[in-house]
Amino acid sequence: GENVEQHPSTLSVQEGDSAVIKCTYSDSASNYFPWYKQELGKRPQLIIDIRSNVGEKKDQRIAVTLNKTAKHFSLHITETQPEDSAVYFCAASKLTGGGNKLTFGTGTQLKVEL
Amino acid sequence: NAGVTQTPKFQVLKTGQSMTLQCAQDMNHNSMYWYRQDPGMGLRLIYYSASEGTTDKGEVPNGYNVSRLNKREFSLRLESAAPSQTSVYFCASSGGAAVSNQPQHFGDGTRLSIL
Repeated sequence: GENVEQHPSTLSVQEGDSAVIKCTYSDSASNYFPWYKQELGKRPQLIIDIRSNVGEKKDQRIAVTLNKTAKHFSLHITETQPEDSAVYFCAASKLTGGGNKLTFGTGTQLKVEL
Repeated sequence: NAGVTQTPKFQVLKTGQSMTLQCAQDMNHNSMYWYRQDPGMGLRLIYYSASEGTTDKGEVPNGYNVSRLNKREFSLRLESAAPSQTSVYFCASSGGAAVSNQPQHFGDGTRLSIL
């Protein structure tokens, strides 16, 4: 089955700096890559996703890049703010006979310091 | 529009007891999922239902059963709870056709402790 590795496990940045979180996946058939943000005690919330037919997607301060050849994708957050502090999860899935079964990375704890 | 609603929010069980976690969505989504989240391990898929009337195993199905009661509701049952099942359980749903990759929307979770 699919295996998703995520690095780093913790990341501390100064407010206003950029943060980058990287994930690799093992199944070359995977074609959907969402990123979720989870605040302490809350539900995971989708912040951005990318499909394999594009290499980059941007939404305000958040961007995701995908390299299908290397089987890795990354989350970029620019101009970080204290409210960006949370755990971020990457995930991967592929089209199957039914539903999209997401395989998640183990998460990155992002701390934005004032 | 509540999205995905899970009940209960918290539960403490004794080893060997049984219970059912309830999940309902009001977004007319076809697919529903149950995950468990343990510290340092991300979210792992227990069971999923691609469409009403179908269910299938995920990554960690042992010790669990599910029922897709109708399009809105998807329940998770622990027949004989074990301490290793102490976790936070999340239900999610996604729309679109059964064979598609659509964003999954999560409920608030059920925090389950088994003594």
